[in-house]
Amino acid sequence: DAGVIQSPRHEVTEMGQEVTLRCKPISGHNSLFWYRQTMMRGLELLIYFNNNVPIDDSGMPEDRFSAKMPNASFSTLKIQPSEPRDSAVYFCASSLRGSGFTYNEQFFGPGTRLTVL
Amino acid sequence: GESVGLHLPTLSVQEGDNSIINCAYSNSASDYFIWYKQESGKGPQFIIDIRSNMDKRQGQRVTVLLNKTVKHLSLQIAATQPGDSAVYFCAENQGDYKLSFGAGTTVTVRA
Repeated sequence: DAGVIQSPRHEVTEMGQEVTLRCKPISGHNSLFWYRQTMMRGLELLIYFNNNVPIDDSGMPEDRFSAKMPNASFSTLKIQPSEPRDSAVYFCASSLRGSGFTYNEQFFGPGTRLTVL
Repeated sequence: GESVGLHLPTLSVQEGDNSIINCAYSNSASDYFIWYKQESGKGPQFIIDIRSNMDKRQGQRVTVLLNKTVKHLSLQIAATQPGDSAVYFCAENQGDYKLSFGAGTTVTVRA
């Protein structure tokens, strides 16, 4: 099993540029999560999709951030325009949510380290 | 320049000794707790979980203890090995899909 795949692994960009992060969840999983990790704030949930539908985007910092999941095997997180304070490691995670369960294990990808200069 | 951030709790342990990592959680209504391990350059990896109706659960070389009275969680690693060096996070399930992660503890194993 390839696990959750994220690209790129590293991204360095200049302030004001558009950044697109990509995620391929584990095949068969129906839930997808985007997290951001910084030293100051730790791991924060940005947005959660279930069956390709955004369920909770309350963690998205501001309108500069947007996420899409056009199909079950692909999601993007876009930042436009990017700012230096967006520098962080962004993780994608997926899980298989079944009926009757209160929690299903989330499998994390390797992350994308974003640096905005 | 170098950014200033939080200093995570650290634990330095001799190889072969037992490690105990502690975590305080915030929500008394949380019913599920998970420990994750994050190695450098990788995403968090599930280690062990425990439901609120239990106070102890054992895995391979790891044991999780839950004290709901004081909202405290601990992870014990037996016979710590160099490969156990990582940052360890506790997470509490706050309903359905949502996880709230602790700040993390950095464990360094001395040879």
